[in-house]
Amino acid sequence: GAGVSQTPSNKVTEKGKYVELRCDPISGHTALYWYRQSLGQGPEFLIYFQGTGAADDSGLPNDRFFAVRPEGSVSTLKIQRTERGDSAVYLCASSLILLGSTGELFFGEGSRLTVL
Amino acid sequence: GNSVTQMEGPVTLSEEAFLTINCTYTATGYPSLFWYVQYPGEGLQLLLKATKADDKGSNKGFEATYRKETTSFHLEKGSVQVSDSAVYFCALSDSEGAQKLVFGQGTRLTINP
Repeated sequence: GAGVSQTPSNKVTEKGKYVELRCDPISGHTALYWYRQSLGQGPEFLIYFQGTGAADDSGLPNDRFFAVRPEGSVSTLKIQRTERGDSAVYLCASSLILLGSTGELFFGEGSRLTVL
Repeated sequence: GNSVTQMEGPVTLSEEAFLTINCTYTATGYPSLFWYVQYPGEGLQLLLKATKADDKGSNKGFEATYRKETTSFHLEKGSVQVSDSAVYFCALSDSEGAQKLVFGQGTRLTINP
């Protein structure tokens, strides 16, 4: 497709379960970002990839969160032992070149995670 | 650390009204400033930006001026339309080159016909 695609759009899980959220960026975009948006808040940075490597993972809240981008395109955000506080919308964004050059990120519609 | 504060919403206006959404920031150095918009059922998209003091960003009738002396980047539009109903986010990028945006909490705008 033309835009950033995220799946699933909605995920309901139970506390303690493992969750994977997938992001398919715009074709050719080398930079990929994950943000988390809690209810009533703005997006908060989690991690970004330049190519296959995680260039900055300083926003990941703890070691239950992990993200990969093995072939430099699709990325998966993985959350282990989910907690109720993990409930949020997880946003993926991509850009053709690094953020600092244009400031323009292309966002997907997000994956809404609910942990019961 | 860097932060962005937006006026609280929701904001409800009638069509053709004048709009201002306030945004102030705290940052070291000289960040770039942005307004992103999220229309219903869509992902966030860049509305406008300004990269240095006194720059004015503009798009779709919206404007915002980078005011370093007041650390502000208020969003304005002279005559809003129903189609402007959305959530608006002010954001800044770290001037030290970190590849991340810091967002405000968002302001929901509803325009009534």
